[in-house]
Amino acid sequence: KAGVTQTPRYLIKTRGQQVTLSCSPISGHRSVSWYQQTPGQGLQFLFEYFSETQRNKGNFPGRFSGRQFSNSRSEMNVSTLELGDSALYLCASSPSTSGVIQETQYFGPGTRLLVL
Amino acid sequence: AQTVTQSQPEMSVQEAETVTLSCTYDTSENNYYLFWYKQPPSRQMILVIRQEAYKQQNATENRFSVNFQKAAKSFSLKISDSQLGDTAMYFCAFMKAFSGAQKLVFGQGTRLTINP
Repeated sequence: KAGVTQTPRYLIKTRGQQVTLSCSPISGHRSVSWYQQTPGQGLQFLFEYFSETQRNKGNFPGRFSGRQFSNSRSEMNVSTLELGDSALYLCASSPSTSGVIQETQYFGPGTRLLVL
Repeated sequence: AQTVTQSQPEMSVQEAETVTLSCTYDTSENNYYLFWYKQPPSRQMILVIRQEAYKQQNATENRFSVNFQKAAKSFSLKISDSQLGDTAMYFCAFMKAFSGAQKLVFGQGTRLTINP
């Protein structure tokens, strides 16, 4: 199976702009989670989508949003970019059946966003 | 809220040596999962090993094994016969079980260097 893919891999934006990042999960995986990685704050959970619904959300401002499509592909959007949004954005997918068993998350290569 | 602490920011060993990375966590949950992920310079996050809290037996994956001490809330990773390819950032991570949400809480990471 192909792994988790993320596009684009690198992105440069200026303050005030908005950006959309895309994530395609492993085939058959229905849960997609997003994480932000910065040198100062480390890895922080942004949100998780399952069956096109946001199931969990981290402590990020409303400028950070996401969505999931019927094919489980997910996008995250950051509006009104700030310098502090420069980070590696990681997407992870898991099978996440409708039962209670938690499945391991498999990560994509990340999108590196630089805000100038 | 759960927290994960990795007290060793950096470690360095010679090739073929054994190295142990420390991780402690704080939670009031009884059912959870613990993970070790490695992130090489390519930035791709790779699962190393996973432990279910209800299992007393320590998980092993080839040269990688864990020492899981539930009462002490300790979860260390031992790498035997270390190889140059083991050079990476290693992250310890926690996930609540049976919560219906795929959310990992990460430690700050340990930068491991294997020297030839």
